Amino acid sequence: EPEVTQTPSHQVTQMGQEVILRCVPISNHLYFYWYRQILGQKVEFLVSFYNNEISEKSEIFDDQFSVERPDGSNFTLKIRSTKLEDSAMYFCASSEVREGSFSKNIQYFGAGTRLSVL
Amino acid sequence: GQQLNQSPQSMFIQEGEDVSMNCTSSSIFNTWLWYKQDPGEGPVLLIALYKAGELTSNGRLTAQFGITRKDSFLNISASIPSDVGIYFCAGQKMNRDDKIIFGKGTRLHILP
Repeated sequence: EPEVTQTPSHQVTQMGQEVILRCVPISNHLYFYWYRQILGQKVEFLVSFYNNEISEKSEIFDDQFSVERPDGSNFTLKIRSTKLEDSAMYFCASSEVREGSFSKNIQYFGAGTRLSVL
Repeated sequence: GQQLNQSPQSMFIQEGEDVSMNCTSSSIFNTWLWYKQDPGEGPVLLIALYKAGELTSNGRLTAQFGITRKDSFLNISASIPSDVGIYFCAGQKMNRDDKIIFGKGTRLHILP
């Protein structure tokens, strides 16, 4: 069964450093998302991406964050200067292109990257 | 912002018991979703609901989309040890962006 893959599974970084989290969405999917989950809390939406541009971003997704689709398979989340409060699980998700007026836009999630900022 | 209120926060049950958890919202969603998350894993979709009043089953799981579009419940029948985990309700507006709004989760513990 196709799946969303994320690397690395765990990233440890020093505060102020840049990190890039990588995702390989399901191959025929064209909508991509990043979510994060602070330990013990709910999953929160960060950003959605379609047709090489951001569709929507939350208030969490400030100027320190950026996303990119550098090639046909990868989708990355960059945090320019990490802060302690960026420590969380980061989940990538992808979904299919919708057809017709009614679409079951199921998002499939990767296993996540645990980011630890020291 | 949009909030989903999920209850209970945690449950301790005996193996074989039935489980019920629910979710309410102050705003309307056009899609309700139930996900399960195991430790160290991402959320896995259990059931998706697309129409008000819809009742859908997936094995021992049954979920319903409330008539008002502001609530949903999930039932698990005859619980087994592998049901342990965190269950999240979630909603989508079904517009183009389709971000998922998650509840805070119900942590299910099963006693032997």
